[in-house]
Amino acid sequence: DTEVTQTPKHLVMGMTNKKSLKCEQHMGHRAMYWYKQKAKKPPELMFVYSYEKLSINESVPSRFSPECPNSSLLNLHLHALQPEDSALYLCASSPGFHTDTQYFGPGTRLTVL
Amino acid sequence: RKEVEQDPGPFNVPEGATVAFNCTYSNSASQSFFWYRQDCRKEPKLLMSVYSSGNEDGRFTAQLNRASQYISLLIRDSKLSDSATYLCVVSASGNTPLVFGKGTRLSVIA
Repeated sequence: DTEVTQTPKHLVMGMTNKKSLKCEQHMGHRAMYWYKQKAKKPPELMFVYSYEKLSINESVPSRFSPECPNSSLLNLHLHALQPEDSALYLCASSPGFHTDTQYFGPGTRLTVL
Repeated sequence: RKEVEQDPGPFNVPEGATVAFNCTYSNSASQSFFWYRQDCRKEPKLLMSVYSSGNEDGRFTAQLNRASQYISLLIRDSKLSDSATYLCVVSASGNTPLVFGKGTRLSVIA
């Protein structure tokens, strides 16, 4: 099973809402990632978790809050977002870290009104 | 200089054509190299890893030139289904994650 799943597929939220994005993998991968992707741009790294610990935060605003409850799950909590945060949010996982191949989930398409 | 640079697109080619993409990277300590494919409004999917000796998977051939710091992807006998954006991805050593190029858009036309 080389699948990373993400829920929801689509999310529309207002600037005062609080919502969460969820990501799950059952491949035994020890690293998980959140990316943000705008149209016609490459994925932009937000956070990296390695062995359930946050190892990289690419200077992401605090209105995005990641959480790794266990080695298979990764959440991204959203609060007080701006319309410019509308994008495709991709989760990925890799066996280890750094140089390993990453496997992406289908993404959550987020629209902030 | 950008860390990973790719050929500007789009590439519009007829079915059956051979098309080549190049990618250059700036960090000479880079260790791992990949080509990912991304369809419109979908997630990136691994197409192939790139090895020093070069590697082939069906119609796709990837080459790595460490001395010149570039990677290439050759697609032979293009199919309509090859239409996508191809992302060059590089990983350096140390505490640095994958770095993505901006991607090259390929359109294969009937």
